[in-house]
Amino acid sequence: GAGVSQSPSNKVTEKGKDVELRCDPISGHTALYWYRQSLGQGLEFLIYFQGNSAPDKSGLPSDRFSAERTGGSVSTLTIQRTQQEDSAVYLCASSLGRVNTEAFFGQGTRLTVV
Amino acid sequence: EDQVTQSPEALRLQEGESSSLNCSYTVSGLRGLFWYRQDPGKGPEFLFTLYSAGEEKEKERLKATLTKKESFLHITAPKPEDSATYLCAVQARQGAQKLVFGQGTRLTINP
Repeated sequence: GAGVSQSPSNKVTEKGKDVELRCDPISGHTALYWYRQSLGQGLEFLIYFQGNSAPDKSGLPSDRFSAERTGGSVSTLTIQRTQQEDSAVYLCASSLGRVNTEAFFGQGTRLTVV
Repeated sequence: EDQVTQSPEALRLQEGESSSLNCSYTVSGLRGLFWYRQDPGKGPEFLFTLYSAGEEKEKERLKATLTKKESFLHITAPKPEDSATYLCAVQARQGAQKLVFGQGTRLTINP
């Protein structure tokens, strides 16, 4: 596809379970971002990947959150032992990664922890 | 720490009533300032990138401007379909490449 693709679009999970969220960036984009958006709130940075460089994990809220990017393309965000406060929309974006390039967002995964 | 503040939080206009949204920022050397539009239940949609003070960009009824401390998104003669949340983000020149977002302005255009 032409845009950033995220799956699933919706996920309901029980408290304490692990979840995996997937992001397929735009082909050729070397930079990939994960953000979290809680109801009525702005976008909270989680993690940034750029090529083969070490990721910027400075936004991950706890050690229950982790992300990986395989082969410089697809990324998976994993949340272990989910809590109710993890409920939010998780957004992925990608960009060309060169100086001064815009990031394009997917539609997001709405995670609900019950 | 890089910060972005948007005002107002919400704005209601009548169709055809022009106005401006504000984005104030503090950043350790600006690489770029970005405007996005977000519709309910959707991901943010890219609108503009501004790189240096004095720069302006236009798209249909929207015009974005940039100074050393703030950016404005001017909307001229808006239509109901312009109703959305408008997000501003900055990217610093040094260090972290992340985009730092403001809280957004929720714009409603009444017919």
